[in-house]
Amino acid sequence: DQQVKQNSPSLSVQEGRISILNCDYTNSMFDYFLWYKKYPAEGPTFLISISSIKDKNEDGRFTVFLNKSAKHLSLHIVPSQPGDSAVYFCAASAYGNNRLAFGKGNQVVVIP
Amino acid sequence: EPEVTQTPSHQVTQMGQEVILRCVPISNHLYFYWYRQILGQKVEFLVSFYNNEISEKSEIFDDQFSVERPDGSNFTLKIRSTKLEDSAMYFCASSNEGRETQYFGPGTRLLVL
Repeated sequence: DQQVKQNSPSLSVQEGRISILNCDYTNSMFDYFLWYKKYPAEGPTFLISISSIKDKNEDGRFTVFLNKSAKHLSLHIVPSQPGDSAVYFCAASAYGNNRLAFGKGNQVVVIP
Repeated sequence: EPEVTQTPSHQVTQMGQEVILRCVPISNHLYFYWYRQILGQKVEFLVSFYNNEISEKSEIFDDQFSVERPDGSNFTLKIRSTKLEDSAMYFCASSNEGRETQYFGPGTRLLVL
C-alpha cells in the first residue's frame, strides 16, 4: 500500500532554519490531509491539516502547502526549534470514509 | 487539555491467548478508531466505530478482532487468539466528527511470544 509516500526518511536542520517535509499521494480521492508529529513512546500528535479546497494553511510556525495537480503536499516549519525533533507523518483521507492513510514518516533532527 | 488515554502501556502475551486493549476517548467525541504500527512499518488503519457499530474496517481487521464500547467512556479492542504477527503498537484515536482531526492516544505496545 503506497498511497501516501514520504521519501527522504531523515532530515537534519540547524536551529532557526526552515525544515521542509514532502509528501506525495496517489489516490485522487484524497481530499483531506494532515500532518502529525510523533515522539518516541508517544502517540501521533496532530499538527496541522488542509482540505483540498485550499492550497495553503498556516498555523504559527507550521505551514502546509497542497499542490493537487501534482498530488503533493509539504510542511514547512520555520524557525525550527530543538523541540521539533521528532518523526513527522503525513496522512490523508478520502471523501466518504474516515480512515487515515499514513506515510512512513520523516525523522527530523534540529541541531541547536 | 482533553486527551485520549490507553491501558495498558505494554502487554506481553503468549501466542493463542486473548488480549483486550482499552481506550478512553475524548469525552465529547463520537467517532473512535484503532490503528496499529508494526515496528518499522507505517501506521495502519484497523477499524472505525460510530453510533455503537463498526463504520469501516480494513482487511487486517478479520474475525480475530472485535471492538466494543462497553460503557459511556471505554472503547476496547479484543484480539481473540493472538499471533506472532499481531505484535505491534496499537493506537486508539477519536474525533468529534467523521472528517475532523483524529486525536491519538499514547498507544499500547503488544508483544506476542
